[in-house]
Amino acid sequence: ETGVTQTPRHLVMGMTNKKSLKCEQHLGHNAMYWYKQSAKKPLELMFVYNFKEQTENNSVPSRFSPECPNSSHLFLHLHTLQPEDSALYLCASSLDRHSYGYTFGSGTRLTVV
Amino acid sequence: AQSVTQLGSHVSVSEGALVLLRCNYSSSVPPYLFWYVQYPNQGLQLLLKYTTGATLVKGINGFEAEFKKSETSFHLTKPSAHMSDAAEDFCAVSGGAGSYQLTFGKGTKLSVIP
Repeated sequence: ETGVTQTPRHLVMGMTNKKSLKCEQHLGHNAMYWYKQSAKKPLELMFVYNFKEQTENNSVPSRFSPECPNSSHLFLHLHTLQPEDSALYLCASSLDRHSYGYTFGSGTRLTVV
Repeated sequence: AQSVTQLGSHVSVSEGALVLLRCNYSSSVPPYLFWYVQYPNQGLQLLLKYTTGATLVKGINGFEAEFKKSETSFHLTKPSAHMSDAAEDFCAVSGGAGSYQLTFGKGTKLSVIP
């Protein structure tokens, strides 16, 4: 158990569906991140939240919508996705945005059909 | 802006042999450098990091890496490979103090042959 819990571990969704990914940490961290990991590509930073405020959006399409209700929880809402969005979505946290001790979750394997 | 190049997407070593995974970076500011390991169906785990100070850093599981500014390299080594080292390893760079965003390399899959 890494301290960062992601649910579900696997998700298959159609292109017209709406689903949400959940990330939870009780490490006392204040910064949380969403990364996308696709085959044969570097990890791509999607969103950064620091003390519940979004501080980074790396030109992510609007079909991905993050939500951070508090410092312990992070969601990624998905709608009208494309097959190329199939990937492993990783959540990470750190003490704050200037810390480098990232703790990663195990990821959600998303397949869009 | 930063970038990371990992030489070799797949490295195979025999059990007990030296492990060497190569990482070169580019950065316009003094970098902070990291190695992460990912086991199958798991997230990334920090192996070691260089921020300031001693250029040879030691991490978990017997791994170490040396920051060589003149070569813009941060290669990961382990004197003797163990079967449990089989995983994918990622080198990452950030833009130094105050810049928290990590840029990752494409990863190197390490296989250990018994």
